[in-house]
Amino acid sequence: QAVLTQPSSLSASPGASASVTCTLRSGIDVRLCRIYWYQQKPGSPPQFLLNHKSDSDNVQGSGVPRRFSGSIDASANAGILVISGVQFEDESDYHCMMWHNSTWVFGGGTKLTVL
Amino acid sequence: QVQLQESGPGLVRPSQTLSLTCTVSGDPINNGAYYWSWLRQPPHEGLEWIGYIHHSGNTFYNPSLKSRVTILLDPSENQFSLNVTSVTAADTAVYYCARSGDHFDFWGQGILVTVSS
Repeated sequence: QAVLTQPSSLSASPGASASVTCTLRSGIDVRLCRIYWYQQKPGSPPQFLLNHKSDSDNVQGSGVPRRFSGSIDASANAGILVISGVQFEDESDYHCMMWHNSTWVFGGGTKLTVL
Repeated sequence: QVQLQESGPGLVRPSQTLSLTCTVSGDPINNGAYYWSWLRQPPHEGLEWIGYIHHSGNTFYNPSLKSRVTILLDPSENQFSLNVTSVTAADTAVYYCARSGDHFDFWGQGILVTVSS
């Protein structure tokens, strides 16, 4: 079982909210982890968006709009990237990441389509 | 502004060694505050961290690749390099170099390396 699991795709309408989930493997408690989020557009490297451990412990990337935010769903053992007021320019791949057993681990990535 | 640029062959034969170099500008590579990483992304797949090196010479590798990977630092050229031995088609990917402190903040544009005979 992968350490981090993401849905392969997600769609959202302009102006709506979109939630990208990153589910942690059973036995790893999301409440103890810092989840990092990256945005990647075709043909470009990923760009750091934010990291989130709790509502009082999180870091927004430089220049990243506040409509990108993080949260956790402890009942689902998942980290969540929330995009409020989705815009066409948000159509991208989104990757979650965490430090686990002395290794940087990534989810498989989620492609967000805005339509 | 920090910039990173990958260079190396775009085609490697199976069982041979993949060798890439990352040239860094805008930040001395012996800046002790940062680590210098290699990552890769197979076509239409997710990201995989390969490993990183610190200016002290300390290296950390992904256990899944550790037996085949070496990362070296060349402060005189402000470069760091990656060697992956005994490559197979599964090593075909876009390879990125990146700087990290708490997270990967600056990345190269990536270089596609294809393993094929």
